[in-house]
Amino acid sequence: GENVEQHPSTLSVQEGDSAVIKCTYSDSASNYFPWYKQELGKRPQLIIDIRSNVGEKKDQRIAVTLNKTAKHFSLHITETQPEDSAVYFCAASRTGRRALTFGSGTRLQVQP
Amino acid sequence: AAGVIQSPRHLIKEKRETATLKCYPIPRHDTVYWYQQGPGQDPQFLISFYEKMQSDKGSIPDRFSAQQFSDYHSELNMSSLELGDSALYFCASSLAGSTSEQYFGPGTRLTVT
Repeated sequence: GENVEQHPSTLSVQEGDSAVIKCTYSDSASNYFPWYKQELGKRPQLIIDIRSNVGEKKDQRIAVTLNKTAKHFSLHITETQPEDSAVYFCAASRTGRRALTFGSGTRLQVQP
Repeated sequence: AAGVIQSPRHLIKEKRETATLKCYPIPRHDTVYWYQQGPGQDPQFLISFYEKMQSDKGSIPDRFSAQQFSDYHSELNMSSLELGDSALYFCASSLAGSTSEQYFGPGTRLTVT
């Protein structure tokens, strides 16, 4: 089955700085890669996703890049704000009605 | 916009008891997924349903069962509860087709004492 590794496990940045979270996956058949933001005790919220037919996708301050050859993808958050503080999970799956395999999560702390 | 609804939001049970968790997907979504998230852990996939048929199966214990009904809502039935079953249980839904976005409900926090 799929295995997703995520780094770092914790990340502390100053407000206004950029944050980068990296994930690798094992199943070469995976072609859908979402990112979720989860605040304590709340639901995972889909913030951005990318499919294997594109290498990069951007939505305002967040962007995701995908390198299918190396089987890794990354989340980039620019101009971080305190409200960006949360746990971020990457995930991978095959498209269609497929389960998500999550990474272990990154706790992002944005210091004001 | 309507979101995934889960009930109850909190549930306290004793060991060896049973529990039933309910999930109402986003309107027009026909696929439901169940995930279990322990403290400080990532969500782990349990089981999914599409058009009332089991679609995929993950690390769901034999003590658990689930089904999807004709109105697309789903129920997760848990029997012989153990202390280790204490977790957040999330339901997610998606619309079949080319898209794969899964939207999560608010979760049910199950505490087994």
